[in-house]
Amino acid sequence: GESVGLHLPTLSVQEGDNSIINCAYSNSASDYFIWYKQESGKGPQFIIDIRSNMDKRQGQRVTVLLNKTVKHLSLQIAATQPGDSAVYFCAENRGQGGSEKLVFGKGTKLTVNP
Amino acid sequence: DTEVTQTPKHLVMGMTNKKSLKCEQHMGHRAMYWYKQKAKKPPELMFVYSYEKLSINESVPSRFSPECPNSSLLNLHLHALQPEDSALYLCASSGKGTGGEKLFFGSGTQLSVL
Repeated sequence: GESVGLHLPTLSVQEGDNSIINCAYSNSASDYFIWYKQESGKGPQFIIDIRSNMDKRQGQRVTVLLNKTVKHLSLQIAATQPGDSAVYFCAENRGQGGSEKLVFGKGTKLTVNP
Repeated sequence: DTEVTQTPKHLVMGMTNKKSLKCEQHMGHRAMYWYKQKAKKPPELMFVYSYEKLSINESVPSRFSPECPNSSLLNLHLHALQPEDSALYLCASSGKGTGGEKLFFGSGTQLSVL
C-alpha cells in the first residue's frame, strides 16, 4: 500500500493476491465517497461507496475503509483476478443543495499478473 | 435499463466545425452531467443539470454549450474547438432513491479536434 498523501499511479500484483489501493481526499466536509473502476475504452464503473458516518463497508471481494481523521480512503480487493486490471479512481462528493459534484482523485492503474 | 448511452463513440472535427454530443438515460434520474477526461487523467466535471436546469458550470469556455431538452436527454454542442479540447467526453446521470449520489457513466465520446 501507499503512504497517506503519496499517490502511487501504478500497482502490480500477482493473481490471487490481495490488492490495496489508497486515496487521500482534501475536503473534510465531504460526506460521500465512491470507488470507480475504468477499463480501457470504457466509462467509469461503480464499485462501492461509503458515507462519512461509516468507517468500513464490504461488498463482494471488495472492502472500502474510510479514515476521516487523516482524510484517507482505501479500496481492498481480495483474491485479485486478471479481470480486475483497470484504473481505479476514488471520488468525493463536494456537492451541496442536491447537486452532486463528484471530484475524482488521480487514479491508480492496477495490473494483475497471471 | 441501467445504461447511459452516448453517441457518437468517436468524433473527428475541424476547428471551424459545429458538432453535438448526445447522451440518453431511461433510469428516471434527476441529474445529468458532462465530464471531460484527458488521457491518463481523472475525469473533470464540466456541467451539472438538475431537474433539467443547469446547476453547475465549472467555468467551461463558451465554445462548449450544454443543453438538456428533457429529463432523459443531454446534449453538448461544440463550436470552434481547439486541438487541446481533444479528450474523452463522459456523460453521467444520478439521483433516484437511497444512494442517489451514485453516478452512472456512459462509455464516452472520444473527440479529436484537428
